[in-house]
Amino acid sequence: ETGVTQSPTHLIKTRGQQVTLRCSSQSGHNTVSWYQQALGQGPQFIFQYYREEENGRGNFPPRFSGLQFPNYSSELNVNALELDDSALYLCASSWDRAGTEAFFGQGTRLTVV
Amino acid sequence: AQTVTQSQPEMSVQEAETVTLSCTYDTSESDYYLFWYKQPPSRQMILVIRQEAYKQQNATENRFSVNFQKAAKSFSLKISDSQLGDAAMYFCASRDFSNNDMRFGAGTRLTVKP
Repeated sequence: ETGVTQSPTHLIKTRGQQVTLRCSSQSGHNTVSWYQQALGQGPQFIFQYYREEENGRGNFPPRFSGLQFPNYSSELNVNALELDDSALYLCASSWDRAGTEAFFGQGTRLTVV
Repeated sequence: AQTVTQSQPEMSVQEAETVTLSCTYDTSESDYYLFWYKQPPSRQMILVIRQEAYKQQNATENRFSVNFQKAAKSFSLKISDSQLGDAAMYFCASRDFSNNDMRFGAGTRLTVKP
């Protein structure tokens, strides 16, 4: 167990809808990163938050957005869902800004139909 | 930009034997981290081992060790005395000191035969 929990574990959405995925980090972990893992591939970096501010972003469009809260929880929001957004979404938390050691949650499996 | 390549989609090993998983990477930075993560069917990525590029000594963690060849940009993982619980997807990853973008390879599925 890494102490990082994600909810929900699975969900199904319709193309064009919006979705919010949640992550609860370990206490004291000020950095959270989000990744998208398509079936049969390695995770791809979406963005990172440090102390509630975005601290780096991968090659994802603006309809992917996030929030980090003072209580070590965070959200990933995706607007205007597309079929290709179907994937496992992972969050990872770290105690330091550099994310030296990342602790991952078990992921949320999103299916867009 | 970093790229990470794992050329072995699948590997198998007999229980108690040794197996080596390959990984090559490409980065223009001089300072970076390299990682091996394990992802069992439970989907949770677990850190197996980490290597700082400025350290010449190869990292070891119990039965897990790496062969880090900086000039060749190679970072292989050796699992000794393989156990049934080692069966999982293994991902090699790199992250430059200068940014927060951790790049993963496509993964190697390891099967352990009893």
